[in-house]
Formats: sequence, structure tokens, C-alpha cells
Amino acid sequence: QKEVEQDPGPLSVPEGAIVSLNCTYSNSAFQYFMWYRQYSRKGPELLMYTYSSGNKEDGRFTAQVDKSSKYISLFIRDSQPSDSATYLCAMSGSGGSNYKLTFGKGTLLTVNP
Amino acid sequence: EAQVTQNPRYLITVTGKKLTVTCSQNMNHEYMSWYRQDPGLGLRQIYYSMNVEVTDKGDVPEGYKVSRKEKRNFPLILESPSPNQTSLYFCASSLSRRNEQFFGPGTRLTVL
Repeated sequence: QKEVEQDPGPLSVPEGAIVSLNCTYSNSAFQYFMWYRQYSRKGPELLMYTYSSGNKEDGRFTAQVDKSSKYISLFIRDSQPSDSATYLCAMSGSGGSNYKLTFGKGTLLTVNP
Repeated sequence: EAQVTQNPRYLITVTGKKLTVTCSQNMNHEYMSWYRQDPGLGLRQIYYSMNVEVTDKGDVPEGYKVSRKEKRNFPLILESPSPNQTSLYFCASSLSRRNEQFFGPGTRLTVL
């Protein structure tokens, strides 16, 4: 089983839809969970950063972490064409080599006007 | 403007011809890292550096070298490039290993 699993998509939705992106993981040592957004021909940029379980909201974006199920989600409300990008989940543990950031392979999202 | 810069952005070269991809950050970050991104494989870490003169291997270090002589610079060296090193390369930096990583714009390398 891979450490981090992420459905590559592609995912295509109409403008205004609610988008749900997910990752599962196997390493119970992971405590820091991130979502990066990567536009075509650009480097990834951090979208959301969460420590341990719970929800975090920032504007139209909500990140959820369920450590008991080893499952994280990113919700995008009122999606816009400018949200079209690849979304990468990433996670790390704490202490020594556990700080290494492990990425999912990314989900390609297209929001159609 | 706080940023990570990489040069060159695009490079086509031939097998065996040594090359260096430069990376520089202006945020006084301690931690720097190199990744390669390939279709179906995602982002994989090549090397990282916790601080000046401190470097260590990531997941896919074979065929690469790095050095960290100054805090702001972290060049990636391919002594003898091969076609399987054709990829999109990203440099990243952060305050420490636990913090948000800021990525550069990427270098698309083709080895013929």
C-alpha cells in the first residue's frame, strides 16, 4: 500500500459546484496535513495547512482531517474557472526523518464556465 | 518580493554533458530541497539541506549531486545526465523542515 493515495482524476465540474478532493494515507505518524495547488507550468503553492484532526476554513476552501480513518479532504465551495489546477495533498510527521513531506500524485480539476 | 528562483527554466541537453540547475531564495530560509515531478509518479524528493554545509539524500538521489555553501543557494548538479533524468524539477525552501515549503517555478529538463 502506498503511503499516500490520491485519485488523479481528471475531475470536471461546472462553475459554482462544490468540489471534494480526497487523500488516504497509511502512516499513522503523519500529523501535519497540507493541500497545494499547482497551475499548469507553475510550482505548487500552499493552499491549506492543518495540524492533527479537525476542520480548517479559509474563504471558499475547507480542509478536513480524520486521523482515525486516515483520510483528508479539501472542499471548494462556489468553484470558479480560476480554481482549475492540479491539487496535491501532502503530509508529514514530527521528529527525525518523519518530517519528510510526502505528496499525493495530485488531482487535476477543471471548472467549466 | 519573497521568492525562490531557478535557472534555467528550460534546458535541452545530451547524454553525459554535465549541467547545473541553480536555485536561490531570498527569505533567509534554513531548509531547502529539490524535487522531480513525473507523470504518474508525482513529486519525489531528490536531496534536501537542513542548513549550510548540511545535505542529505531524499527518495531518488541517484545521478544527482548538491551543495550548500551559502544559505540562499542550493544548486542541483547532474554530472552525467541520462535520458531517464528528463523531468520537471522544483526547488523549494522553508524556515525549517516543519514549515510550509515555497516552491520555485520549475526547470523542465530534456536529456537526449
